Formats: sequence, structure tokens, C-alpha cells
Amino acid sequence: KAGVTQTPRYLIKTRGQQVTLSCSPISGHRSVSWYQQTPGQGLQFLFEYFSETQRNKGNFPGRFSGRQFSNSRSEMNVSTLELGDSALYLCASSRDEKLFFGSGTQLSVL
Amino acid sequence: DQQVKQNSPSLSVQEGRISILNCDYTNSMFDYFLWYKKYPAEGPTFLISISSIKDKNEDGRFTVFLNKSAKHLSLHIVPSQPGDSAVYFCAASANTGNQFYFGTGTSLTVIP
Repeated sequence: KAGVTQTPRYLIKTRGQQVTLSCSPISGHRSVSWYQQTPGQGLQFLFEYFSETQRNKGNFPGRFSGRQFSNSRSEMNVSTLELGDSALYLCASSRDEKLFFGSGTQLSVL
Repeated sequence: DQQVKQNSPSLSVQEGRISILNCDYTNSMFDYFLWYKKYPAEGPTFLISISSIKDKNEDGRFTVFLNKSAKHLSLHIVPSQPGDSAVYFCAASANTGNQFYFGTGTSLTVIP
């Protein structure tokens, strides 16, 4: 069974630009969550989608948004990038209250 | 506001000995806890979980202990192996879908 797939693996952007990250969950998993990992901060919850609806949202500004499609694939968008948005963005699909993570997208904002 | 804390950024243990990783939380509503292991350039991998109705859960070399009154959980790895060298994260949830609060991680090094 294929795992969670995230694309792209690495991304370099400049301040003010916007970026879209993609996540394909494990087949059959309907919940997709997004987390931001920065050094010293651990993993911070961004949002969770279930059956195309946002079910939970973390404490991030409105520049961070997401959506989920009918095939459970999810995208995350960050507008007006800031230097502090440089981080590893992890997507996870879930089943039986367990999160299964992808390898992440490493975003660098210059 | 860090609701889940791992106060030891790093830990070194001899191969064959026990590794004990600790995690504290502040939110009394947390009722489900997970441990994850993370290698560089990979996503976190699920290790073991525990529900608040239990105080211990075992899976092979891994055992998680939960002390609800102290709001403390620990992961024991016995015996430790060099392949266990990784960053370990604890995570907690308050039964609100799949919103988990993660600690900042403990880097475990198992010395051969």
C-alpha cells in the first residue's frame, strides 16, 4: 500500500510570493492534516480536512489555507510568504486515531 | 503556549541498555497520546499509543507509561539498539478529530 505522498520535496521562494503544496493520502484515508515543523518548535498543527471539509484549524494566520478534493488529496497554500514561513511542512493521513506522515516539503523563503 | 513538553533535547544510551524518554503535558483534557520516531529527511513514523483509560501499553521493545495525575508520560525502549537513534516526539489529543499537539522532540543516540 502506498504511503502518504507529498510534492514537491523541496521548494525555494522569495518573500511576498505564494506557494502551493500537495499531499496524496494513503488510499482509503479520508482525513488529511497539515503540520509545520521548525527547529525548536516541534510540529505545529495547521489544519485538518475530512471529506472535503475543514474539521480543525490551528493557530496560524489566514495566509495559510488549505483544501481537500473529492479523492481526498489535499493542497495547502501560503500567500505573501514571510521569512519565518521557512519550515518543513508535513502532511498526514489518519486511520484509527493514528497519523501517517509523508516525508514533507522543505520550504525555504529567501 | 507549548501544551506538550519534552524537556530533554537529547539523550545518549549504551546499546543494550534502557532508553527512557519523557514527556509532560498541561491540558487535562488530553486523553490520547502517541509516540513517533523521526529520521532525518523522513516524516515521523508511528511507534506506540496509549489511551487515558490505561496506564501502560507495550509493543515489543517499546512500552509507554502514562501518569495522569502528574500529566506525564514516558517511553521505554529495552534493549536499545543503534537503529533506534532518531528524534522521538510525543503527541497528545483531546478527542477533537485528529488535531494533535506535539512536543519539541528528544534526539536519542544509541552508542554501539
